[in-house]
Amino acid sequence: KQEVTQIPAALSVPEGENLVLNCSFTDSAIYNLQWFRQDPGKGLTSLLLIQSSQREQTSGRLNASLDKSSGRSTLYIAASQPGDSATYLCAVPRGGSQGNLIFGKGTKLSVKP
Amino acid sequence: GAGVSQSPRYKVAKRGQDVALRCDPISGHVSLFWYQQALGQGPEFLTYFQNEAQLDKSGLPSDRFFAERPEGSVSTLKIQRTQQEDSAVYLCASSSLAGGASGELFFGEGSRLTVL
Repeated sequence: KQEVTQIPAALSVPEGENLVLNCSFTDSAIYNLQWFRQDPGKGLTSLLLIQSSQREQTSGRLNASLDKSSGRSTLYIAASQPGDSATYLCAVPRGGSQGNLIFGKGTKLSVKP
Repeated sequence: GAGVSQSPRYKVAKRGQDVALRCDPISGHVSLFWYQQALGQGPEFLTYFQNEAQLDKSGLPSDRFFAERPEGSVSTLKIQRTQQEDSAVYLCASSSLAGGASGELFFGEGSRLTVL
């Protein structure tokens, strides 16, 4: 049974720091891995999706890597800003249905000005 | 509409009451998903529709939960005889691709249900 774990559960950093969020999964047979952002009281916004054949994806200050063999993904945020404060969740598809996602519990990030 | 719309945004119900939560997906999106997110947890899959067909309801926690999408657009999630453990945010997501292929999912802001 696939399980997704995110460490740390919460993280507080001063503005301008580079930081790494971690995601691990128990079954390496995944189609892709996706990182989402969730602001308080809001829905989820997709940040980056890495296909199983890819090693990383970049969007602006965000870089996500994927190591299937070790069951790990990291989300790197460069030069963090207070506006980056949110909960970040990673998710992998359950079996063949790519919309049926298994989520981690998320990492709550706070960037202090 | 421009995005996925859910209503009501907040619902307080007494234990034992029935509730109905509505999701308006992005126009033309064939796939619609319902998720349940308890406080401090990640979302948990409930059910999936492709057009009007409910293709996967494996995540519905009990027979008190029922979802429909009769015309392949708006969907309603109904919870009968609500219990305190049903308190959560219910998220709806839609996709223009069957099964949400390629991970293209657009989420609504959710309906927060509190059962007293």
